[in-house]
Amino acid sequence: EAQVTQNPRYLITVTGKKLTVTCSQNMNHEYMSWYRQDPGLGLRQIYYSMNVEVTDKGDVPEGYKVSRKEKRNFPLILESPSPNQTSLYFCAVTDRLYNEQFFGPGTRLTVL
Amino acid sequence: RKEVEQDPGPFNVPEGATVAFNCTYSNSASQSFFWYRQDCRKEPKLLMSVYSSGNEDGRFTAQLNRASQYISLLIRDSKLSDSATYLCVVIPASGAGSYQLTFGKGTKLSVIP
Repeated sequence: EAQVTQNPRYLITVTGKKLTVTCSQNMNHEYMSWYRQDPGLGLRQIYYSMNVEVTDKGDVPEGYKVSRKEKRNFPLILESPSPNQTSLYFCAVTDRLYNEQFFGPGTRLTVL
Repeated sequence: RKEVEQDPGPFNVPEGATVAFNCTYSNSASQSFFWYRQDCRKEPKLLMSVYSSGNEDGRFTAQLNRASQYISLLIRDSKLSDSATYLCVVIPASGAGSYQLTFGKGTKLSVIP
């Protein structure tokens, strides 16, 4: 079954404590993205990756890092989380042939 | 002007009603258009693509008006299970960022018994 998985699904942490949200896909697609979703602001792209070792900033990259060392994984790193990063995060994989985007189940992050 | 705009709703409609949503986009060179559905606290999922000639999938009809730069989604015979947020998605013209989808903020639909 084609899947995009994210871990953890829920996380409560404190300001400044580094954290990583993992994203993994078994669909063999090159293009992956991270989004955050906030009430009234919709989905906003944080970073994207067009292939291994190729990443670029989206619309709201400040405070985040990503890496793409292998095709299937695209972790999102918050080096020093702050309360304004409390949000619902989605990893997504794009099928570039059909331009369809498949989302992971989401990670609800709370930074105290 | 925002890139993709949708009426946030909520649209509260009775079962069996017909409801339509519009979505306007600002980039006239946009090439691909989609409607996604998002249930509460869940991930968005593709509902249907929007083709220039318009397309239909059961009770759902999507249309594109390039001259006026909007897409629409029509739902006929609404079911309780149609209650969700509907996101309009636009992909710009080809180029380095051509796979960067731009999402509208969504229109919330509640179908009432």
